[in-house]
Amino acid sequence: GAGVSQSPSNKVTEKGKDVELRCDPISGHTALYWYRQSLGQGLEFLIYFQGNSAPDKSGLPSDRFSAERTGGSVSTLTIQRTQQEDSAVYLCASSLDLSTLETQYFGPGTRLLVL
Amino acid sequence: GENVEQHPSTLSVQEGDSAVIKCTYSDSASNYFPWYKQELGKRPQLIIDIRSNVGEKKDQRIAVTLNKTAKHFSLHITETQPEDSAVYFCAGSNQGGKLIFGQGTELSVKP
Repeated sequence: GAGVSQSPSNKVTEKGKDVELRCDPISGHTALYWYRQSLGQGLEFLIYFQGNSAPDKSGLPSDRFSAERTGGSVSTLTIQRTQQEDSAVYLCASSLDLSTLETQYFGPGTRLLVL
Repeated sequence: GENVEQHPSTLSVQEGDSAVIKCTYSDSASNYFPWYKQELGKRPQLIIDIRSNVGEKKDQRIAVTLNKTAKHFSLHITETQPEDSAVYFCAGSNQGGKLIFGQGTELSVKP
């Protein structure tokens, strides 16, 4: 079946502009996660959703970052007034539910470059 | 909160040799430990995982061991092949599926 998809695959923007990244989870998966991977680094947790609710926003780096999920499916991660340090690959993952024991499946990521 | 440390950061082995990557975690409540393989420019792919109620799990050439008392877990790859070359990430989870990742190990298998 279809895996997690993300769009766009690449995004180049100018410093100060807003960007919106989209994630389509696997059908039927109620839990959705956003991670950030800077060049040559590990994955940094940003936020997760159970349904449309985000119980843990502690990983968002600043108030310029926000995320929402509607209809229990698609999620968007918005970065306002982008800065060069926001350049990274933004990865989305989904799992069947929010149990710690459920496998998370990753999307291909959105490579963001802020000039 | 949870912290996961991973060693080594780079590992080079000859084809056919074994490779071992080690991780430690800080939160004793963590109960799920997956390992992901990430090839250059690709998404992370789960290769094996272990729950806290078992000490070892094996899948063909890959095995993972967990020591809850010492709070560490390891990935073992036997009979390595060039296609095993990639970056490997360990992770731990103690709440709501939120994964805390190690820093990654770049494995290079030389033919």
